[in-house]
Amino acid sequence: SQQGEEDPQALSIQEGENATMNCSYKTSINNLQWYRQNSGRGLVHLILIRSNEREKHSGRLRVTLDTSKKSSSLLITASRAADTASYFCATDDGNNRLAFGKGNQVVVIP
Amino acid sequence: NAGVTQTPKFQVLKTGQSMTLQCAQDMNHNSMYWYRQDPGMGLRLIYYSASEGTTDKGEVPNGYNVSRLNKREFSLRLESAAPSQTSVYFCASSRAGTANYGYTFGSGTRLTVV
Repeated sequence: SQQGEEDPQALSIQEGENATMNCSYKTSINNLQWYRQNSGRGLVHLILIRSNEREKHSGRLRVTLDTSKKSSSLLITASRAADTASYFCATDDGNNRLAFGKGNQVVVIP
Repeated sequence: NAGVTQTPKFQVLKTGQSMTLQCAQDMNHNSMYWYRQDPGMGLRLIYYSASEGTTDKGEVPNGYNVSRLNKREFSLRLESAAPSQTSVYFCASSRAGTANYGYTFGSGTRLTVV
């Protein structure tokens, strides 16, 4: 079964706006990761947040993690057309493998 | 460029045919993974190899076999292809499991079984 579930499933925004997407999961985790997938390509690792961390930044990306609510959010600030992609959260439950959510499609309109 | 290389990129099989998907990484990673991606289903783990010499089943292993040929190569075999195996297959590698490192993905193999 899918561990991560992203919400909303599809998002369309204007260039320059912020994009926020959420991910919920069911079991306890060691860490949570976010990936980007451009159309027809493989996934690219964006950021990893450990279970004892609450917030992490990487460039225009901001990730939060709330283990009490079993949820995470990914914020992309000042979006660009190149940010158009699908975004996946993935959870590590300590079994040496990642479980991926269904993905969140983001379209940034120039 | 360093990374994960998958071959072939596209393949069409007839039901019942067999084939092997190849994956190689040149980053000296210990762990390797095979996922399939279907519309609306996200990525589902087929098999993985935590280290050279070990393989384990993932979420959807039925109809597949794997071989960790050496530290660099991890192949996925379909012995008797079925239309339900039509999918995009991704190989990934990681330095050492998932604790502190992300995965590096290949560009995928798009497989159609008719």
